[in-house]
This record gives sequence, C-alpha cells and structure tokens, in this order.
Amino acid sequence: EAGVAQSPRYKIIEKRQSVAFWCNPISGHATLYWYQQILGQGPKLLIQFQNNGVVDDSQLPKDRFSAERLKGVDSTLKIQPAKLEDSAVYLCASSLGLGSNQPQHFGDGTRLSIL
Amino acid sequence: EDQVTQSPEALRLQEGESSSLNCSYTVSGLRGLFWYRQDPGKGPEFLFTLYSAGEEKEKERLKATLTKKESFLHITAPKPEDSATYLCAVRGTGANNLFFGTGTRLTVIP
Repeated sequence: EAGVAQSPRYKIIEKRQSVAFWCNPISGHATLYWYQQILGQGPKLLIQFQNNGVVDDSQLPKDRFSAERLKGVDSTLKIQPAKLEDSAVYLCASSLGLGSNQPQHFGDGTRLSIL
Repeated sequence: EDQVTQSPEALRLQEGESSSLNCSYTVSGLRGLFWYRQDPGKGPEFLFTLYSAGEEKEKERLKATLTKKESFLHITAPKPEDSATYLCAVRGTGANNLFFGTGTRLTVIP
C-alpha cells in the first residue's frame, strides 16, 4: 500500500512571500489532516477534511493560511503571506474515516524555512 | 483543555538496557491514546492505539500500557535501531483530531 505522498520535501522562501504544499493521501482514505510541527514540539492540527468538506479548521490562521481538497482526494495548503514564525514542518495525514479506531497515517512532510 | 505531558524529554540507553517512557494525559472522555515513532526527517509512524484502562499492546520489543491518567511505553532489550522520538497523542470526546505531546527522544547506544 502506497503511503501519504507530500511535495515538495523542502522549501525556502522569504517572509511575505507565498508558498503551497501538496498532499496525496492513501487511496480510499476519506479523512485528511494538515498538521504543523515546530522543531522540538509535537504536531499541531491545522485543518481536517472529511471527503471534500472541512470538519475542523479552528486552529488554522485564516488570515494567511488556506487549504482545499477538491474532489475529496488531493489537498493543497497555502500560506500567503508567510511570516518568520511559520518556519516548521507541515505534515499531511490520512485515515479511513472519523472513527476513533482509525489510526492516522502520516507523510514525511514539507520542511519550510522562512528567511 | 486536553493536555499531554511526556517524560523524560530525552533518554539514552545502552543496547539491551530496558526502560519505560511515560505519557500523562488530561482529556475530556478518552476515545483513544496513540503512540507514534518519528525518525529524523520523517513523518510519525503509527505504533499502537489504546482505548481503556488496563489495556496492553505489544509489538516486537515495545509494549504499551494504559491507566486512567497515564500510558507507558516499555522498551525491552532495545537495539540501536529503536533510536527515535516517541510521540504520544490523545483523542477526546467530541474531537476528531489528535492532541500530541512533545515526545521523548530515545537514543540507544551500541
């Protein structure tokens, strides 16, 4: 079974620029998550999709972050404009569904550095 | 508010020296406690899910246990390839996402 695919693996931009990340979940997984992991911390949820609908985006800084999951498969996360504190690894995860017995499976993330 | 505290922050063991990692949690109605392993430059890799106090799960040299307030990840006779950061996460009632701790960085020395 292919895992969660993310690209790019690394991105370096200057503050106030924009950036986008892409995620392809495990085939058949209805639920998709975007997490932010700052160095030395655990992942923090940004947004959660069930198929192509948003389930939870309460922690997403909506003035600069946006995400979409068109057709309920791939997803993109965008930051515009970027701030220095956005330097982090952005992880995408997917699970079969919303049930508590459904583990989340993670991609290897995109490491974002803001200069 | 959900809270997860992992200890110690870092642990160095000699190969074969067994030990335990701790995850203390506060959550409104536990719907699951999850253990993940994360290698440098990689995403977290799922290990176990525990649902109720008294539950135990094992995988190779790892054994996870759960009480009403904490979980332990026991590592028996570790090998250098067990070196990684181990993350604990909880899912509470009414929440679909995981709330993670900051992890324990384990180093096993040959």
